[in-house]
Amino acid sequence: DIQMTQSPSSVSASVGDRISITCRASQGIGTWLGWYQQKPGKAPKLLIYGASSLRGGVPSRFSGSGSGTDFTLTISSLQPEDSATYYCQQANSLPPLTFGGGTKVEIK
Amino acid sequence: EVQVVESGGGLVQPGGSLRLSCSASGFTFSNAWMSWVRQAPGKGLEWVGRIKSKTDGGTTDYVAPVKGRFTISRDDSKNTLYVQMNSLKTEDTAVYYCAIDHNSDNYFDYWGQGTLLTVSS
Repeated sequence: DIQMTQSPSSVSASVGDRISITCRASQGIGTWLGWYQQKPGKAPKLLIYGASSLRGGVPSRFSGSGSGTDFTLTISSLQPEDSATYYCQQANSLPPLTFGGGTKVEIK
Repeated sequence: EVQVVESGGGLVQPGGSLRLSCSASGFTFSNAWMSWVRQAPGKGLEWVGRIKSKTDGGTTDYVAPVKGRFTISRDDSKNTLYVQMNSLKTEDTAVYYCAIDHNSDNYFDYWGQGTLLTVSS
C-alpha cells in the first residue's frame, strides 16, 4: 500500500497569510495526487487533481505542486471560508486508494 | 446539477449486516466509477472500495479490512450504488460517503452527504 503523510497536522494563520501544506507518498506516484477540502459536518470537496490542476470553480488562491513523492498545497491569501481540514489522496494505484491524515487549517 | 444521496445507515450489533444505498442523478451514472469512502468519528478519510462501470468490466476492489465482508454493487437502471456489509465490527463505525469518479481517473469529483453506521452492542 502507498502511505500518504501530511504535515503539519494543524496550522493557525491570519487572514491574508500564505500557507503551505505538504504531502509525502511512501513511493513515487508521478503527479497522481489530489487535494480535498472538508468543512465540519460536510462531505469533502475536490480542489486539485493531477497534483496541480485546479478544479473548475475553485478559487485561484489555491494551488498545487510537486511530483514523485513530495507535494504541496498552497493557499496564497488565506480567507475566513478556508477554515477546514485538507486531505491529500494518491490516485496512482489501488487497492487501496489512500488519503493523508489531514491538516486542520484555523484562522487566527 | 449532480445530486448524490446515501441512505440505510443506522445502529447494528457486532456481527450483524446492513446494506447502504446511494442514489445519484445529474450525470451519466452508468459511465461513472463509484466508490465508498468512510470516516470514523473524529478521524480521517478511508477508501472502502470501488466498482468500475460495466463498460470497463464492472470489477470491484476493496481495502483489506473489509475484503470478504463488504460487497459493492450497482444497478445502472436505478442509478443506484450499494454496499452490502456483513460480519460488522465496532471498527466499521463511521460516516459512509458515496464518491463519484466521473472521469475514471481515481479522483472523487462528487460526494454525497454521508450516512452514519454505528456498530455497537
